[in-house]
Amino acid sequence: ETGVTQTPRHLVMGMTNKKSLKCEQHLGHNAMYWYKQSAKKPLELMFVYNFKEQTENNSVPSRFSPECPNSSHLFLHLHTLQPEDSALYLCASSQERGVAHEQFFGPGTRLTVL
Amino acid sequence: GQNIDQPTEMTATEGAIVQINCTYQTSGFNGLFWYQQHAGEAPTFLSYNVLDGLEEKGRFSSFLSRSKGYSYLLLKELQMKDSASYLCAVRDGDYQLIWGAGTKLIIKP
Repeated sequence: ETGVTQTPRHLVMGMTNKKSLKCEQHLGHNAMYWYKQSAKKPLELMFVYNFKEQTENNSVPSRFSPECPNSSHLFLHLHTLQPEDSALYLCASSQERGVAHEQFFGPGTRLTVL
Repeated sequence: GQNIDQPTEMTATEGAIVQINCTYQTSGFNGLFWYQQHAGEAPTFLSYNVLDGLEEKGRFSSFLSRSKGYSYLLLKELQMKDSASYLCAVRDGDYQLIWGAGTKLIIKP
């Protein structure tokens, strides 16, 4: 596999469920990101990891819990979500902290919270 | 505050030229990105500008004026496959990208 992969591609869950989103990058990058994309809204950065260390947490509710076991894998653990959390969740990776280095995105997980 | 503005939707004709504008107000500036996102797919990188001027890449060009807080993406010889959303983003610091809401471009035959 190449690029950035995400599983599952679609997820429907109830508010009391616990689920996890998985992201894997095969690009040798050392920074990984979680974004939330809602319709007609800008991408919202949720978390940033650089060399497995979390460097950004943009006031995300505690019902979202990230995990980065190594520089190739990133998880987003979900529990007791709300219907307004329904969105497309995108994972991205980039090389180092270089200013010019673009982010490569995975295909996203379409999450629906009932 | 941090703000990126771009038109919500634009329509253009196949074979024509279209210019998508982006204005920004951010506390820092370390470059401006344009991404393309087809419906249901991941955003893909198109261009990066950090110095004033025009960057050309095939049918796509991107322009930046830092003094005006302004950029545009120019698409020439439009094809139906160019129908997508175009996202403008400014790097503010080391990691964080401030994103616009995107411009949905509709190409008509």
